[in-house]
Amino acid sequence: AQKITQTQPGMFVQEKEAVTLDCTYDTSDQSYGLFWYKQPSSGEMIFLIYQGSYDEQNATEGRYSLNFQKARKSANLVISASQLGDSAMYFCAMRGDFNAGGTSYGKLTFGQGTILTVHP
Amino acid sequence: KAGVTQTPRYLIKTRGQQVTLSCSPISGHRSVSWYQQTPGQGLQFLFEYFSETQRNKGNFPGRFSGRQFSNSRSEMNVSTLELGDSALYLCASRKTGVNTEAFFGQGTRLTVV
Repeated sequence: AQKITQTQPGMFVQEKEAVTLDCTYDTSDQSYGLFWYKQPSSGEMIFLIYQGSYDEQNATEGRYSLNFQKARKSANLVISASQLGDSAMYFCAMRGDFNAGGTSYGKLTFGQGTILTVHP
Repeated sequence: KAGVTQTPRYLIKTRGQQVTLSCSPISGHRSVSWYQQTPGQGLQFLFEYFSETQRNKGNFPGRFSGRQFSNSRSEMNVSTLELGDSALYLCASRKTGVNTEAFFGQGTRLTVV
């Protein structure tokens, strides 16, 4: 079984500052993928960044970077230079052991989310 | 390139009725997954379809079912609606492959009264 924990129900950040959203995970799978999604009030889930469990370097996508610490089972999202449009709910998610032919396939397990509010 | 399209966007149904939600994936995506999102339970996996076959199912009662057509479009059906089925239902599609991200539609917001 997989579990994602996001311990910050809400976070506040000043515009143009950086913010870190925490995510820890638990799995017995040897290989897995970690994802971050953004959900604005409109409801659509927007993919932000992906980290594979065997990737040696932390993933980066523009202003988003993923601080991946495998031994600690954490995959924190760092948003640099926050913008007002970054205000949204952020979800950390995991997909299980696809390489071993496991039954996870495309299933994503999500955390409870963190509401980020960016102040001007 | 068109994104994932879900119809309808909003739906109000009465307890006991049934409902069908539709999802058109991104062209070329053969995997379609469905999720239920509620304030209390968060995002929960319903099922995944690939090449018209259900290959994974979440922990939901049999009232929840789905199917996928040969053009990869998918429908999910909920029979005998209960008040607790009120939720945002999200559909996601992705290409095959281990590192592929899922792209989500805007969801169908179902209200059961």
